[in-house]
Amino acid sequence: DTEVTQTPKHLVMGMTNKKSLKCEQHMGHRAMYWYKQKAKKPPELMFVYSYEKLSINESVPSRFSPECPNSSLLNLHLHALQPEDSALYLCASSSKIGRANTGELFFGEGSRLTVL
Amino acid sequence: AQSVTQLGSHVSVSEGALVLLRCNYSSSVPPYLFWYVQYPNQGLQLLLKYTSAATLVKGINGFEAEFKKSETSFHLTKPSAHMSDAAEYFCALQTGANNLFFGTGTRLTVIP
Repeated sequence: DTEVTQTPKHLVMGMTNKKSLKCEQHMGHRAMYWYKQKAKKPPELMFVYSYEKLSINESVPSRFSPECPNSSLLNLHLHALQPEDSALYLCASSSKIGRANTGELFFGEGSRLTVL
Repeated sequence: AQSVTQLGSHVSVSEGALVLLRCNYSSSVPPYLFWYVQYPNQGLQLLLKYTSAATLVKGINGFEAEFKKSETSFHLTKPSAHMSDAAEYFCALQTGANNLFFGTGTRLTVIP
């Protein structure tokens, strides 16, 4: 069983809806990530939070809005999405950040988003 | 620029045969390299990692990889394929303190 929990597992939304994806980890990790994975493609980094502060934002459209309420939780707020935003959204965490980070990420099972 | 290239988007092997998945990298600094596996409808799981210690790295499920600086390669191998090894495999390179860059992936099919 994964130690990074994502909800919901599946989400269908219209282009005018507002929804949120949630991610939770209880491993004491201080870095959390959102990745987007299109079908048959590798994951692409969207956001990184270190110590609850946004540290990397890979030029993601503003219709995606991340939020890190505390060190265990990471949300991704969705508004006015487009059909091309349909993808698997993966949350991950890591125990180390900065120069000490050797890149080992723990991934959740993902939230599969369909935008109609 | 830093990048990883996975040769072969699909690899098929017979059950019990050798598995070889290829990964080449480009990096201006000593790289950290990783292999992740993704089973259908699941997230990614770390198989093994190279972080400048031993060049032959052993991972979970009988997989191992060898870092070869002269060939800029980090190929993944397993002596004997099992049906449960069928999955998507991603080679990844750490490009910054908090960023992994993934290769395009190789889908492994194991034929009974």
